[in-house]
Amino acid sequence: AQSVTQLGSHVSVSEGALVLLRCNYSSSVPPYLFWYVQYPNQGLQLLLKYTSAATLVKGINGFEAEFKKSETSFHLTKPSAHMSDAAEYFCAVSDSGSGGYNKLIFGAGTRLAVHP
Amino acid sequence: ETGVTQTPRHLVMGMTNKKSLKCEQHLGHNAMYWYKQSAKKPLELMFVYSLEERVENNSVPSRFSPECPNSSHLFLHLHTLQPEDSALYLCASSQVSGGTDTQYFGPGTRLTVL
Repeated sequence: AQSVTQLGSHVSVSEGALVLLRCNYSSSVPPYLFWYVQYPNQGLQLLLKYTSAATLVKGINGFEAEFKKSETSFHLTKPSAHMSDAAEYFCAVSDSGSGGYNKLIFGAGTRLAVHP
Repeated sequence: ETGVTQTPRHLVMGMTNKKSLKCEQHLGHNAMYWYKQSAKKPLELMFVYSLEERVENNSVPSRFSPECPNSSHLFLHLHTLQPEDSALYLCASSQVSGGTDTQYFGPGTRLTVL
């Protein structure tokens, strides 16, 4: 069965610093992988997704993630953090045995704090 | 209205009450989902409807009863809930495409069970 592990439930960075949020997956088949962001009092919004095309995926708001099969990782990065990036970030893997619709298995989430 | 809307945004209910959560998607999608988001736990998929047919029921207690009258509307009927059911309930929709489809989420209903 697919699973996702996000290392670090809380990450704190300074404004302008590199953001690195870690995600490792477990999957018996080539996975489809997603990063979602949740701002306070809002639902989840897709940042980017990997669907077996390019291994470096660019998303919204300057975020990108690289799929590394050898490391079973899909870490999220942003070169320079902005105060508005403070939110909770979720990595998810699609359960490919779900008969067509997208059954997402989510990680526990990483709360990103950005300080001046 | 655009995207996925949910009403009410906040709900407080006693354990003996009956209430319903409503979700509406304005995206023309053919699948809809209910998730439960509790503190300190990963998002839990509760139900999935694809083409208005329930295709997933993730071992959810019978005090939660979903209804999907058409492809744009999804309800979650609640009765005799427990305090541990207090959580954020999120609705999502997508256009089915073999596991790569993006799910679009509503803002959620914050439920408190007294």
